[in-house]
Amino acid sequence: QVQVVESGGGVVQPGRSVRLSCAASGFPFSRYGMHWVRQAPGKGLEWLSVIWYDGSDKYYADSVKGRFTISRDNSKNAVYLQLNSLRAEDTAVYFCARGSKAAAGALDIWGQGTMVTVSS
Amino acid sequence: DIHLTQSPSFVSASVGDRVIITCQASQDIDDLLAWYQQRPGKAPKLLIYAAATLQGGVPSRFRGTGSGTHFTLTIDNLQPEDLGSYYCKHLDSFPLTFGQGTRLEIK
Repeated sequence: QVQVVESGGGVVQPGRSVRLSCAASGFPFSRYGMHWVRQAPGKGLEWLSVIWYDGSDKYYADSVKGRFTISRDNSKNAVYLQLNSLRAEDTAVYFCARGSKAAAGALDIWGQGTMVTVSS
Repeated sequence: DIHLTQSPSFVSASVGDRVIITCQASQDIDDLLAWYQQRPGKAPKLLIYAAATLQGGVPSRFRGTGSGTHFTLTIDNLQPEDLGSYYCKHLDSFPLTFGQGTRLEIK
């Protein structure tokens, strides 16, 4: 079964850090770019970051550049998002998604998300 | 950065109706656009990529058209399970961006 499963969310104090994980299974993980997308409560989708299939390139949304870091471990079929200097506005559900080769790079496999709440 | 403007923000329609959602890009993105459906409380689901290509398993009553800066998502013969929000997203260059979303209510 092709799937990705996020973990690592929770309640975090402002200014602190958290690392989100995304475990992939059912497909050759090392051949796919992976993305993170978030959704604040009651709001729309916001693309955050992508990492190339081999980790050689990474891009970020302006809103998180310099604070968030994407990485991957192909030996563990996992992608990560390190969130630093967290702010109240980072409160959101964070989704991991696969960038499809067949679908021109569109995001074809999504996890159910992990909730991060930034609050003191 | 490329900005995507969706309209309408909210639409209410009846079962069997046709619904049209538009997405306007701030610059030419050729056909590098995807559409996603998000049912309440669920993860987004890819519907259409390359502006007009239906993702596998998506009903043929979903149709995408357009290129350049103007795109549409048409849902024919609206069904109750089509309730939710719809988002366009470009794939032209990084950073990627989503439209602000269209919420679809079934009357």
